[in-house]
Parts: sequence; C-alpha cells; structure tokens
Amino acid sequence: EPEVTQTPSHQVTQMGQEVILRCVPISNHLYFYWYRQILGQKVEFLVSFYNNEISEKSEIFDDQFSVERPDGSNFTLKIRSTKLEDSAMYFCASSDPGQGVTDTQYFGPGTRLTVL
Amino acid sequence: AQTVTQSQPEMSVQEAETVTLSCTYDTSENNYYLFWYKQPPSRQMILVIRQEAYKQQNATENRFSVNFQKAAKSFSLKISDSQLGDTAMYFCAFVRTGANSKLTFGKGITLSVRP
Repeated sequence: EPEVTQTPSHQVTQMGQEVILRCVPISNHLYFYWYRQILGQKVEFLVSFYNNEISEKSEIFDDQFSVERPDGSNFTLKIRSTKLEDSAMYFCASSDPGQGVTDTQYFGPGTRLTVL
Repeated sequence: AQTVTQSQPEMSVQEAETVTLSCTYDTSENNYYLFWYKQPPSRQMILVIRQEAYKQQNATENRFSVNFQKAAKSFSLKISDSQLGDTAMYFCAFVRTGANSKLTFGKGITLSVRP
C-alpha cells in the first residue's frame, strides 16, 4: 500500500541553524500539507500546497518557514533560523482530489525536531 | 473558524470491552468531513475512520464505529472488543469540503486498554 515517507526521523540542531525536513508524498497525490505537534499538544496546521504554490498558511508559518517541491517526488519544509520553540514533531500529509473534492489526508511517520 | 473539542483527556478500558470517545465541533459550514486519527506511542498518525457530513448513515470500520449527530455537532467513536493494540492517543478532526482544505484537530484523548 502506498504511503507517505519522511526523512529524517529525528533531527537535532542548534538554535539559529537552518533545517530542511523532507517528505515524499503518495505518488498520485496532488495536495500536500505540513502540520506540527508540540509534545503533549494537539496537531496544528502549518501550510497547504498545490500546483507549486502555497494554498493556505497558518499564523505559525511566518517568514522563517518555506516549502518547496524541488522535483516530482519530494516536498520539503525549511526553517531558516530555528528557535527553541520550533522543537516539535512535524508531519507531512498528502491527499488525492481524484477521489472526491475533499479526500482523506494520509500522514507520514513524522520528523521529530529538537532545537538545542 | 472551526473548533474541535475533546473534553476527556484520558480514558481506560478493559480488554475486550467497549469504549466510546467523545468529540464535539463547531462550524458554520454545511459540507464537511470528520475523522478519527489514532496516534500510538510511535507518534505516527493513522486514519481510523471517516464520516461525510451529508451522509446520515454512521460510518463503520470493523471494530470501530461512529455516532454522528449533525444537529448536535457531535461525533463520537466507539471501539468494540478493545485490544491492547488500541492503546494510543485518539484525535478527532474536521475538514470543510473543498480541495486542499486544512484539518482542524481536537486536543486528543489518551486511551489505555488494560489486560
């Protein structure tokens, strides 16, 4: 069964450093998302992406964040200058419009980001 | 804006018994979908079940079923014949109809299944 994959599974970085989190969505999906979950809290929407453009972004997704689909398979989230409060689990998700206007979002296993 | 409320922070159930997890939501939308996701200790987000708001029939997936009350904006998850592997965090989530719509999650409930 196709699945969303994410790398790395765990990233440790120093405050102020740039990190890139990578995702490979399900191959025939066209809509992509990033969410984050601070430990012990609920999952929060960051950004949605379609046709090489951001569709919607949350207040959390400030100028330090960017997303890109550099090729036909990868979808990346970049944090330019990490802060302590960026420590969280980051989930990538994808969905397929072919199964209806709104379809289920399938999640990757997440990348745990630790900022020291 | 949509809100999703899960007021029970945690629940416990004996193996093989039935448990119901509560969720309420608030929206002005008429067309939307509701989901339950499971998050085991591995922290992977796994889809459990989905309900289309336009459908009156409650969704079922094997041991999992929902009680969807649209007028009351209530969406509870019933787990029958609970298994140890059901131990996890469960999140209720809302998405309005429309391509590329974001999911809005509740705070989650921790379910423990006792042997």
